[in-house]
Amino acid sequence: EDKVVQSPLSLVVHEGDTVTLNCSYEVTNFRSLLWYKQEKKAPTFLFMLTSSGIEKKSGRLSSILDKKELSSILNITATQTGDSAIYLCAVEAYGGSQGNLIFGKGTKLSVKP
Amino acid sequence: EPEVTQTPSHQVTQMGQEVILRCVPISNHLYFYWYRQILGQKVEFLVSFYNNEISEKSEIFDDQFSVERPDGSNFTLKIRSTKLEDSAMYFCASSHLDRDNSPLHFGNGTRLTVT
Repeated sequence: EDKVVQSPLSLVVHEGDTVTLNCSYEVTNFRSLLWYKQEKKAPTFLFMLTSSGIEKKSGRLSSILDKKELSSILNITATQTGDSAIYLCAVEAYGGSQGNLIFGKGTKLSVKP
Repeated sequence: EPEVTQTPSHQVTQMGQEVILRCVPISNHLYFYWYRQILGQKVEFLVSFYNNEISEKSEIFDDQFSVERPDGSNFTLKIRSTKLEDSAMYFCASSHLDRDNSPLHFGNGTRLTVT
C-alpha cells in the first residue's frame, strides 16, 4: 500500500532557528513529491519535486528529493512566527489518475518569538 | 494571483439531507479534484475530473457522492444522504493540463458539519 510518513509530527522552535522537516514515501511508480503549507484552511503550494527537479529553493525555504532514499526534506532558515503552520508532504504516482495525491499527516511547526 | 474559490465556507446539515458543495476552479485549469480532511486526520483524495468525466475515484467516493461541472466555471460535489461521518473539511483543487509542471492548487475548503 502506498504511504507517506512525515516526521516529526510537531516541532517548536524560536525565531531565527533553522528547521528540517522530513518526508519518506513508499509509492509504486513515483511521479512527484509536493510540499504544502497549511495555515488555517487551504494547503498552499510550496514546491514540486520530480526526477528532473530534485532541488528547489524559494527565499528561506528549500527542499531536496532523494530518490535513492525515497525521502525529501524541507528546510526553513531564519524562521519567523509567520512560518508557524502545518507542513504537508504529498506524493503522486504514475499510473493512477492525475492529481491523486497521497498525503502524510503533516508536521506542525510552531515558531515562538 | 488566480485562486480556487469554494462556497459556502461552512455548511451545517442534518443527517440524511443532501448537500452541494461548490467550487470555482482557476480559469485555465482543466483537471479538477475533491479532497477531504476529517478533523485531525490526513487529507484524502476523493475524486478527479477531466474532460467532463470522472478520471478516478477513491473507495471513499461511493454512490452517495457525485460530481458535476454544470457550466463553464463551477465544479460541484453532491452528497446525497449525509451521514455523521461525512463531517469534514472538503477541499476543491484544480491543476493545469501540463501535470508534470503544474501542482494542484487548493481552495479554502468547505467545513461540513452533519448533526
